[in-house]
Amino acid sequence: DIQMTQSPSTLSASVGDRVTITCRASQSIDSLLAWYQQKAGKGPNLLIYQASTLHSGVPSRFSGSGSGTEFTLTISSLQPDDFATYYCQQYRGGWTFGQGTKVVIK
Amino acid sequence: EVQLLESGGGLVQPGGSLRLSCAASGFTFSNYAMSWVRQAPGKGLDWVSAISDSGTNTYYADSVKGRFTISRDNSKNTVYLQMSGLRPEDTAVYFCAKETARGSMADYWGQGSLVTVSS
Repeated sequence: DIQMTQSPSTLSASVGDRVTITCRASQSIDSLLAWYQQKAGKGPNLLIYQASTLHSGVPSRFSGSGSGTEFTLTISSLQPDDFATYYCQQYRGGWTFGQGTKVVIK
Repeated sequence: EVQLLESGGGLVQPGGSLRLSCAASGFTFSNYAMSWVRQAPGKGLDWVSAISDSGTNTYYADSVKGRFTISRDNSKNTVYLQMSGLRPEDTAVYFCAKETARGSMADYWGQGSLVTVSS
């Protein structure tokens, strides 16, 4: 099974900050990686797929990069609506999710 | 607008059964694979099961194989998860998700249905 390791588990930041979350795969997954945002009591929302493609309607301050085993999600200027938990997901072989990164107000 | 609405959750005793439903709208349901993903309280996301667009092929996590059954009714735009032999560790919010293609990522998710397994 492919394991996904996300870091950090919690990130404290202020509005306007540039934020980066990292996701590592236990083996190469090419670019078959997605990022989701989840708010309390809600289902996840797709942000990025194929490592770097923005899903329809997602603000351009979100971006993704990487391939193989190392990936990053970047929020260029954190907005109040962005305080949430973020998950990476590989779909190279089945589905596996990272442990999540909770972005909290500093 | 794509909508996925789960129902059927509740409190059940260990060893009991429950059937979850997910009613879909806003897209051609019969063209897309569907999945169930669960989230234990305060924990991360855990894939449970998937079904192909026609319903011919089904897939399960090892943790639920032999206890859970996924099915769909394309005439009712609904996917189901029949859960039996429930254990306390099955306690979670269960989300249904629409796949963009079988095995690919999920572009839409429901709001979830809480299943609590406790005596």
